[in-house]
Amino acid sequence: DIQMTQSPSSLSASVGDRVTITCRASQSISSYLNWYQQKPGKAPKLLIYAASSLQSGVPSRFSGSGSGTDFTLTISSLQPEDFATYYCQQSYSTPPCFGPGTKVDIK
Amino acid sequence: QVQLQESGPGLVKPSETLSLTCTVSGGSVSSGSYYWSWIRQPPGKGLEWIGYIYYSGSTNYNPSLKSRVTISVDTSKNQFSLKLSSVTAADTAVYYCARDRIYGDSIDAFDIWGQGTMVTVSS
Repeated sequence: DIQMTQSPSSLSASVGDRVTITCRASQSISSYLNWYQQKPGKAPKLLIYAASSLQSGVPSRFSGSGSGTDFTLTISSLQPEDFATYYCQQSYSTPPCFGPGTKVDIK
Repeated sequence: QVQLQESGPGLVKPSETLSLTCTVSGGSVSSGSYYWSWIRQPPGKGLEWIGYIYYSGSTNYNPSLKSRVTISVDTSKNQFSLKLSSVTAADTAVYYCARDRIYGDSIDAFDIWGQGTMVTVSS
């Protein structure tokens, strides 16, 4: 199975900050990488698919990049509603698996 | 818009079978553009894909759970279901149903999720 790691596991940031989260796959997954946002007590929400494609309705401050084994999710200007946990997920092979998550909280 | 809603018992005894149903509204499980998945999240932990079903009935399961999992679809009721047998405390989790959208070129992602249902395994 492909293993996914994320860094950092948590970070503290302020409103307006630029935030970058990194995801790494244990082998090349081309661009088969998705990003989700999860708030406490809620289901995950799809933000980015295929590494860099913005899901419909998601604000443009979210962007994704990368291919192969290394990927990033960037929030260009952190908003109050962005404090949440972010997960990457590979869809290259079965089983599709998620990273352990990165919790973004308020500094 | 498409909505998914999980239903089923919130408490299951050890060694018994966990059974959940996901009802799809505003769309059809018979659409060829989607797989229909189950995903779970133990309290305070990460997300684990359990498996999916296509409207035709073809399935794909996580190898770690394959021996205990059955996913089925009822197109007449616009529902799909999960059965997990021989449960233990380790199966305690929030269970989500999700639509796995096929964007093309083998690209897919879980674009719509149910609200989730907590299932506790305890005697």
